Amino acid sequence: LAKTTQPISMDSYEGQEVNITCSHNNIATNDYITWYQQFPSQGPRFIIQGYKTKVTNEVASLFIPADRKSSTLSLPRVSLSDTAVYYCLVGGNRDDKIIFGKGTRLHILP
Amino acid sequence: DTEVTQTPKHLVMGMTNKKSLKCEQHMGHRAMYWYKQKAKKPPELMFVYSYEKLSINESVPSRFSPECPNSSLLNLHLHALQPEDSALYLCASSARTSGGFYEQYFGPGTRLTVT
Repeated sequence: LAKTTQPISMDSYEGQEVNITCSHNNIATNDYITWYQQFPSQGPRFIIQGYKTKVTNEVASLFIPADRKSSTLSLPRVSLSDTAVYYCLVGGNRDDKIIFGKGTRLHILP
Repeated sequence: DTEVTQTPKHLVMGMTNKKSLKCEQHMGHRAMYWYKQKAKKPPELMFVYSYEKLSINESVPSRFSPECPNSSLLNLHLHALQPEDSALYLCASSARTSGGFYEQYFGPGTRLTVT
């Protein structure tokens, strides 16, 4: 199973772009990279998923370099409501257990 | 309907009690999960059900007993718990089981306190 490493915490200001990087050096060929967001006392919520290059949706972008050993979640123009914990997961389309990394606590300041 | 519901929201139980947590989804998902989450820690996978059959048990103590009566319901029966079992218990579902490929939909959780 690919292990993930993320920064423990990050601070940013409203209106800024925030980039959170996740390292996954032993990612397998069939693995996808998925990001979840979790607010206090709530379940995690899916943000975005990708396999390679760049994926963009209405909430975020995900950048994955060619070697796929890392990925970067980009949140454009954050607001106070983006204060949450962000988890990076790596896993494939196979019956396997799911391991959440330690997550990144993002704190947005006014 | 993309909602996973969990009841109760909060539960306080003594170490000799028997209680159950309930989870329900109506998205037609065939995989359902139980996670345990301690404060400021990531969710830890406990059990996975695939097509109503237990497919993964992450060496969870027998005082936790999962049950999947049908494709929409998932229960977690609790008996003789310890204070260290106090945590947020999260239920999730996804279209199929996988190592994370399929998007998981999480419920709001049950905050369990064992006294």
